[in-house]
Amino acid sequence: GNSVTQMEGPVTLSEEAFLTINCTYTATGYPSLFWYVQYPGEGLQLLLKATKADDKGSNKGFEATYRKETTSFHLEKGSVQVSDSAVYFCALSDQGYALNFGKGTSLLVTP
Amino acid sequence: GAGVSQTPSNKVTEKGKYVELRCDPISGHTALYWYRQSLGQGPEFLIYFQGTGAADDSGLPNDRFFAVRPEGSVSTLKIQRTERGDSAVYLCASSSPPGTTNTGELFFGEGSRLTVL
Repeated sequence: GNSVTQMEGPVTLSEEAFLTINCTYTATGYPSLFWYVQYPGEGLQLLLKATKADDKGSNKGFEATYRKETTSFHLEKGSVQVSDSAVYFCALSDQGYALNFGKGTSLLVTP
Repeated sequence: GAGVSQTPSNKVTEKGKYVELRCDPISGHTALYWYRQSLGQGPEFLIYFQGTGAADDSGLPNDRFFAVRPEGSVSTLKIQRTERGDSAVYLCASSSPPGTTNTGELFFGEGSRLTVL
């Protein structure tokens, strides 16, 4: 079956540091890949997505590239801010609706 | 409202009791989803509605769980004979139908936290 594995947290970084959150997946078909983010006290929201191999999703300075050869979709940001503190979830969908989520990675950015 | 609304935000009940959780999706979204998030885990798919019908209920853990969406808008997740293991945050999401340009972009509510004592 489909599954997503993402790096364990919590991740603590200083402001302006470089961020990488690793995500790898297992899927039988050609899934779409997503990063969702949950800020404190808010619901999950889509951060970025990629629907086919070699696509790069980007939003708010975050980027992730769909790598079919390594079955990965790592999230990166060049310079994190305190406001980026949140829980980040990698997810995939091969049916167009149900999402398989990873366990989430908590990020804390300190001033 | 502008977003997905879920009520109650918190529910504490005793083992064996019946619980209903309500979800009011974004207006115009025909697709509605229920997920369950246990502590330290990612959301787990429960059921997907397209309009009034359950298009996929394969994630419901057992027959104590049931969901309805009688008019294609508001949905209710019903849990009978609750058990301590049902304690979790129940998330509702809505979206445009699969196959549209918003495929995969689900809009989530803040969830209903259920605690079974």
